[in-house]
Amino acid sequence: EVQLQESGPGLVKPSQSLSLTCSVTGYSITSNYWGWIRKFPGNKMEWMGYISYSGSTSYNPSLKSRISITRDTSKNQFFLQLNSVTTEDTATYYCARSPSGSWFAYWGQGTLVTVSS
Amino acid sequence: EIVLTQSPTTMTASPGEKVTITCRASSSVSYMHWYQQKPGASPKPWIYETSKLASGVPDRFSGSGSGTSYSLTINNMEAEDAATYYCQQWNYPSMLTFGSGTKLEIK
Repeated sequence: EVQLQESGPGLVKPSQSLSLTCSVTGYSITSNYWGWIRKFPGNKMEWMGYISYSGSTSYNPSLKSRISITRDTSKNQFFLQLNSVTTEDTATYYCARSPSGSWFAYWGQGTLVTVSS
Repeated sequence: EIVLTQSPTTMTASPGEKVTITCRASSSVSYMHWYQQKPGASPKPWIYETSKLASGVPDRFSGSGSGTSYSLTINNMEAEDAATYYCQQWNYPSMLTFGSGTKLEIK
């Protein structure tokens, strides 16, 4: 069964970069689509972007200037980098697998990232 | 960006009651997907492509709709169904948005 696990710092300072790793077991990231979604305090959910089986990426236009999603197929991991963070980027970050790019069938457990000085 | 508006925001239902959660899109979408989330857990896929139940979802759940109006229905509410439900859509070219969520509580 596919499993996804987010990892990375739980605290990031304003203006710095947020970097997270999603480690995938049980399924190759060279198939399907692999995305990042975040849930803000207050429960709003936001799709951030995804990387496809071929390595192409698609990003939420609201984040396009700050976000990068990359992958390491040898380690079966994909990564999120979000630059110039502010306190408004404080959220629980989830990585997830999408069979078609339109909905998410498997989710990681999520990791809380707090942006604070 | 297509905005999804869920209603109600919060509701309470008794065991055995029929529950309907509505999701309205600001423009027509092809499909709607739904997730269930309980406190401390990650979202679970619940209904995909409008009406298909995800693996393990009880058949008292159903999904329907088209265009700009979609719904998730529970026939015979059970205590384990208490959760927050989110709708989600995808539209070309590659933009996903989520609804604001409906918190469903048991009486």
